[in-house]
Amino acid sequence: QSALTQPPSASGSPGQSVTISCTGTSSDVGGYNYVSWYQQHPGKAPKLMISEVTKRPSGVPDRFSGSKSGNTASLTVSGLQAEDEADYYCSSYAGNNYVFGTGTKVTVL
Amino acid sequence: EVQLVESGGGLIKPGGSLRLSCAASGFSFSNAWMNWVRQAPGKGLEWVGLIKSKTSGGTTDYAAPVKGRFTVSRDDSSSTVYLQMNSLKTEDTAVYYCVNEEQGAFDFWGQGTMVTVSS
Repeated sequence: QSALTQPPSASGSPGQSVTISCTGTSSDVGGYNYVSWYQQHPGKAPKLMISEVTKRPSGVPDRFSGSKSGNTASLTVSGLQAEDEADYYCSSYAGNNYVFGTGTKVTVL
Repeated sequence: EVQLVESGGGLIKPGGSLRLSCAASGFSFSNAWMNWVRQAPGKGLEWVGLIKSKTSGGTTDYAAPVKGRFTVSRDDSSSTVYLQMNSLKTEDTAVYYCVNEEQGAFDFWGQGTMVTVSS
């Protein structure tokens, strides 16, 4: 199972929006609505930000939103804030296993 | 409050074995699907394996790189999940996270335990 493809980096100024893509195949992202997104700050454990493509867990700001079209899922962070600077990973169910994305480092300029 | 506390990591020689433990609290452990996810130094996340709840059959699944070498098990009486790692390789060096899964998403993460495989 190959890792899902994400851009290595993305950036934006405070208040702007940034969108991160996550490209897989019909065997993972395109085949199931079990795509999730995780935020990881340096030295910390990942934190769930989006589940089931679009659902935001309790406590996650509504600045974070998810979507999917075909084999590509996306995470959008609107109104960027300094604390959003982190690594972001997507993940998808792939039929009896799971696959993560390659990770995207988001920088707030 | 959900808590997942991993233990058992350390330095081990290639070919050796190690067993990680994860003590869970704050949620219905017996109904939970528990996973292990690892992260090599400076690298991304990699799913390792899972064990379903007994009501879902208690079955296990593994990522290809660890299949046949790693075994996930659980003890619902003590709310603990284990990862038995045999025939360890240098490429198994990573922080290992214990993670609760719900509807295909990894809800809660432990703080991780470091495993270093080196001669």
